[in-house]
Amino acid sequence: SQKIEQNSEALNIQEGKTATLTCNYTNYSPAYLQWYRQDPGRGPVFLLLIRENEKEKRKERLKVTFDTTLKQSLFHITASQPADSATYLCAPFTGFQKLVFGTGTRLLVSP
Amino acid sequence: DAGVTQSPTHLIKTRGQQVTLRCSPKSGHDTVSWYQQALGQGPQFIFQYYEEEERQRGNFPDRFSGHQFPNYSSELNVNALLLGDSALYLCASSLDRGVRSNQPQHFGDGTRLSIL
Repeated sequence: SQKIEQNSEALNIQEGKTATLTCNYTNYSPAYLQWYRQDPGRGPVFLLLIRENEKEKRKERLKVTFDTTLKQSLFHITASQPADSATYLCAPFTGFQKLVFGTGTRLLVSP
Repeated sequence: DAGVTQSPTHLIKTRGQQVTLRCSPKSGHDTVSWYQQALGQGPQFIFQYYEEEERQRGNFPDRFSGHQFPNYSSELNVNALLLGDSALYLCASSLDRGVRSNQPQHFGDGTRLSIL
């Protein structure tokens, strides 16, 4: 069956460091993959989309990679700040804008 | 420009009751999807409405039903509520551009449903 796995444990890092979050998927061949940020009590907010023919995508301090051979996407936040603390969700594309989310990884950035 | 709005923000019901949740999509969007998010989990797709029809459905029982109105707003109805239906219900809207569309979803802040 189709499965999306993200680090289930919270990721704790110090301010200024680079945070790296992992998304692994099985039994999918997504043409795109999206990353969202979710704050407590709020809905997810779209961050980045990467296509299967793009190895890397950047937006300000964010960088996403997409390895279709490994079936993995990595999400990096450079020069992390306490305001980056949130849960980050990956969602491989499944057609007609239906999103199938991983469980999300909680990121905690300490000052 | 108003984003996705959902009502109510919180709701408490008892087992066996029925509930209706409402969603107004972002201006210019024509597709509405509903998700259920249990505590500590990622959102799970319930169904999607486009042109007032249910276009896709996730693995949810028939107790979950919906509707989309001509103004693109949508309702989610849940009958015979169970304790396990307690969750955050999220509505997301987007603009349809076909089966391979990769439009980002715009989410509301959800309705927190608690079943006693």
